[in-house]
Amino acid sequence: QQKVQQSPESLIVPEGGMASLNCTSSDRNVDYFWWYRQHSGKSPKMLMSIFSNGEKEEGRFTVHLNKASLHTSLHIRDSQPSDSALYLCAARGSALGRLHFGAGTQLIVIP
Amino acid sequence: EAAVTQSPRNKVAVTGGKVTLSCNQTNNHNNMYWYRQDTGHGLRLIHYSYGAGSTEKGDIPDGYKASRPSQENFSLILELATPSQTSVYFCASGGQGSGNTLYFGEGSRLIVV
Repeated sequence: QQKVQQSPESLIVPEGGMASLNCTSSDRNVDYFWWYRQHSGKSPKMLMSIFSNGEKEEGRFTVHLNKASLHTSLHIRDSQPSDSALYLCAARGSALGRLHFGAGTQLIVIP
Repeated sequence: EAAVTQSPRNKVAVTGGKVTLSCNQTNNHNNMYWYRQDTGHGLRLIHYSYGAGSTEKGDIPDGYKASRPSQENFSLILELATPSQTSVYFCASGGQGSGNTLYFGEGSRLIVV
């Protein structure tokens, strides 16, 4: 049973549209979430991280966190074909804890 | 950005053979990790290390050994490779504390025939 659940498994959005990705942890000790992006054939690279309740924005990317429900979401506005990738959510159970990754959401942005 | 290099990038091994995947990082991170990635499973942790001389079991350690001879190097060893170990393997390094962002190598694709 995976500790980190992501939805949807895949998502198709038109260029210029909004993409919304979800992630929930079943570990009550989680204190930090990351979003990684992995282009096809490449390695994962950290996109954004969040540990406080609320919202964090960086350019076209916004991350929300609700610590009570252990739910985080990633929103990409004005989606571009270059955003097409596998988006991985990771959660950590303590300062020295291991990261657990979800299975990912495959995002496809159609021109 | 942290530099993590893996070798070999591609490997074909025979069932029952020994495979060693190597990883080197140049950013003096204490923590290093080995993950495997398979469709539908995301990244699953095999072994990790908090520093030279230490290795810890991750979530799927069976069939794998790890070695951390120095701060920079972390190896994953498959003593008796099996076809179920066909996968893409990623090494990662990261610091401790609240900023434990992981930096990944480019991956090693292993096929066991």
